[in-house]
Amino acid sequence: DAMVIQNPRYQVTQFGKPVTLSCSQTLNHNVMYWYQQKSSQAPKLLFHYYDKDFNNEADTPDNFQSRRPNTSFCFLDIRSPGLGDAAMYLCATSISRDKTYEQYFGPGTRLTVT
Amino acid sequence: AQKITQTQPGMFVQEKEAVTLDCTYDTSDQSYGLFWYKQPSSGEMIFLIYQGSYDEQNATEGRYSLNFQKARKSANLVISASQLGDSAMYFCAMREGENSGYSTLTFGKGTMLLVSP
Repeated sequence: DAMVIQNPRYQVTQFGKPVTLSCSQTLNHNVMYWYQQKSSQAPKLLFHYYDKDFNNEADTPDNFQSRRPNTSFCFLDIRSPGLGDAAMYLCATSISRDKTYEQYFGPGTRLTVT
Repeated sequence: AQKITQTQPGMFVQEKEAVTLDCTYDTSDQSYGLFWYKQPSSGEMIFLIYQGSYDEQNATEGRYSLNFQKARKSANLVISASQLGDSAMYFCAMREGENSGYSTLTFGKGTMLLVSP
């Protein structure tokens, strides 16, 4: 089945230690998104890639970076995680020809910062 | 002002009964879309239903229907014949305008639905 995959599902990192979360998709979608969802809150868009073009939300901290080496893969790098970065990180994809612009979500990576 | 408002932090319903989850939105765009997603405790966001601003009929998907009242800017989700597996957080989300090839979603704060036997 075509899907959005996130690895790992659970990640524990130490305060200040760089961490990378990964997302891959077999849907061949051209748009990929990263959301941060803190406990009991709504998902908040961090950035997205439209093809190779990177679009950062205005209030996304500089501590968060992203890479998209090819259509299928996208990475979220947190350079120096703080306790406030503990959250669920959701990756999503969409395809331009679908004019509903429905986003397909992965299962998420739950990040704990110790 | 919030773009998506979900006024019910929590809802309780008995199995096999219908339940309505409220969502109101605020936009000045003529073209927009409204989504409902279900998020179980496992964390995955599951797409339920979509309503476009130009769609004349209310969207339906199995047990899910969307009560779209454009003039009132509301897009309530109706779940008929609730099941125990429906217990989850439900998010209403909106995409605004028609960007060139992609959309960004604004989510409401969610409603936690608990279905009891």
